[in-house]
Amino acid sequence: QSALTQPRSVSGSPGQSVTISCTGTSSDVGGYNYVSWYQQHPGKAPKLMIYDVSKRPSGVPDRFSGSKSGNTASLTISGLQAEDEADYYCCSYAGSYVFGTGTKVTVL
Amino acid sequence: QVQLVQSGAEVKKPGASVKVSCKVSGYTLTELSMHWVRQAPGKGLEWMGGFDPEDGETIYAQKFQGRVTMTEDTSTDTAYMELSSLRSEDTAVYYCATQKYSSSHFDYWGQGTLVTVSS
Repeated sequence: QSALTQPRSVSGSPGQSVTISCTGTSSDVGGYNYVSWYQQHPGKAPKLMIYDVSKRPSGVPDRFSGSKSGNTASLTISGLQAEDEADYYCCSYAGSYVFGTGTKVTVL
Repeated sequence: QVQLVQSGAEVKKPGASVKVSCKVSGYTLTELSMHWVRQAPGKGLEWMGGFDPEDGETIYAQKFQGRVTMTEDTSTDTAYMELSSLRSEDTAVYYCATQKYSSSHFDYWGQGTLVTVSS
């Protein structure tokens, strides 16, 4: 199972929106509505931000939203804040699980 | 609220085995599906395996089959991940992560255990 493809980095100014893509195949992202997204700050464990493509766990700000079209899922952060600077990983169910390559979000 | 507390850092020689533990509190292991994810230094997350409640079996990523064993002690609500035939490329932080049954995402994560493989 190959890792899902994410851009290496994205950046934006405070208050702006950024979108991270996560591209897989019909065997993973495109085949199931089980895409999740994780935020990871340096030296910390990952934190669940989005599950089942677009659902937010309680406590996650509504600035974070998820979507999917075909074999590509996306995470959008609206109203970017300094504390959003972190690495973000997508993950898809595929009979087993596969993570994305990871994207570093920089707040300018 | 689930809390996962992992065992401490380990240093192992190539060819040795390592066993990492993950103690669950707030829930019992029988209510959760436990998985293991690793992260090499400066690299991304890599799923190693976990319990599939539909089959009632633990499934392993193909890359680790034959080298990894995941077990649980329900009397102490502690999960274990043992990796054998260690090589330098296995140097990583190993995380336990849980799923509630019928879900396909990882709700809670342990703090991570650094395993260093070095001669």
